[in-house]
Amino acid sequence: QVQLQQSGPGLVKPSQTLSLTCGISGDTVSSNNAAWSWIRQSPSRGLEWLGRTYYRSKWYSDYAVSVKSRVTINPDTSKNQFSLQLNSVTPEDTAVYYCARVGTYYFGSGSYHPFDYWGQGTLVTVSS
Amino acid sequence: QSVLTQPPSASGTPGQRVTISCSGSSSNIGTNIVNWYQQLPGTAPKLLIFGNNQRPSGVPDRYSGSKSGTSASLAISGLQSEDEADYYCATWDDSLNGWVFGGGTKLTVL
Repeated sequence: QVQLQQSGPGLVKPSQTLSLTCGISGDTVSSNNAAWSWIRQSPSRGLEWLGRTYYRSKWYSDYAVSVKSRVTINPDTSKNQFSLQLNSVTPEDTAVYYCARVGTYYFGSGSYHPFDYWGQGTLVTVSS
Repeated sequence: QSVLTQPPSASGTPGQRVTISCSGSSSNIGTNIVNWYQQLPGTAPKLLIFGNNQRPSGVPDRYSGSKSGTSASLAISGLQSEDEADYYCATWDDSLNGWVFGGGTKLTVL
């Protein structure tokens, strides 16, 4: 059974960097059948995908257009975890942040890739 | 403003069948599969349906999904009080090159 455990501060000052970590058990961050994402949820923006990292012979990361200039998602193979860094935060970045696995499911002739396991969520408030 | 459009609320009585719609465009639902998530208060979303109409192990067959053109639907039959939750649709968007979600539908069991 895959479990994701999030850690990181719940309060960040404006203009600073938001940093969260997601520890993985039951799978490996370098799996060829998974990707590792960060998603946030706020009343004003709903659920918003921020980006992902995944390994397919080499490491890839891609990001949502809305945060691309400010976000970095990195794997840490030594600790089997991945992290989120969001720079230059404003109060608009206040949200519950989730890490999630994108799994691989085979049915018929196709493969499907939903968010199948989620972390517990971390409320991050941006305030001075 | 979410890329995918869902009704903000839905309701039904125990035993009824309820459907929740999710409307998109040719760059998202029209081209890619749809997944559905259930979120109980204070918890993370849980995968309910993947690949338009497939249930993960452990999800009751009271839940079903369908897709036609640029819209998708989630149906819940034999409504129970524990179905009271928020429901979200999600898919990949080829124009945005990323995952997009619906705004969510709050289901109330009367």
